Amino acid sequence: GAVVSQHPSWVICKSGTSVKIECRSLDFQATTMFWYRQFPKQSLMLMATSNEGSKATYEQGVEKDKFLINHASLTLSTLTVTSAHPEDSSFYICSARSGVVQETQYFGPGTRLLVL
Amino acid sequence: LAKTTQPISMDSYEGQEVNITCSHNNIATNDYITWYQQFPSQGPRFIIQGYKTKVTNEVASLFIPADRKSSTLSLPRVSLSDTAVYYCLVYGGATNKLIFGTGTLLAVQP
Repeated sequence: GAVVSQHPSWVICKSGTSVKIECRSLDFQATTMFWYRQFPKQSLMLMATSNEGSKATYEQGVEKDKFLINHASLTLSTLTVTSAHPEDSSFYICSARSGVVQETQYFGPGTRLLVL
Repeated sequence: LAKTTQPISMDSYEGQEVNITCSHNNIATNDYITWYQQFPSQGPRFIIQGYKTKVTNEVASLFIPADRKSSTLSLPRVSLSDTAVYYCLVYGGATNKLIFGTGTLLAVQP
């Protein structure tokens, strides 16, 4: 299957700082990328959907000013957690899909964020 | 949005066939059914996708009845390494995004 990478795989930061997470589709062009968050022993929660070249669509309850998403190219999307706080500590996972809606969505390995 | 319901957990032994059933009563005409596997601290891994009847690949089979209100993921001869959470999702018609349910924690014992 297609490969999606994330960088970094883990990050520790101080409260109040901003953290950027990159998501790349390595061998296909991703017209749509998704960002999820997963807390321990819970399911994945969709945060936002981004289409290349347009603004991201955020799920209800997700602060768009706190979680900045940029999908500047067909192979790269970034999630910036601004002014991170301990409650933002979580496992962030991106996914990417090419072409039509029914095509398979591939997930990255995830990024573990710990805010101290 | 089509909502899926699956058992919270299942137990099995090595070498057995495991069938995980998922209910999706509100599936839309254009929705596809997709299953993912997730290990701790990893992103979900695509297993199989189907629309109707039966789909088989090198790791699993997916059975979908004519009314498409449920589906069954079949894992032949599981091993310890198949211990993971399995998610059933429907998407493609009414929605273009994958919404995850609780998933099924499959525990394979020796």
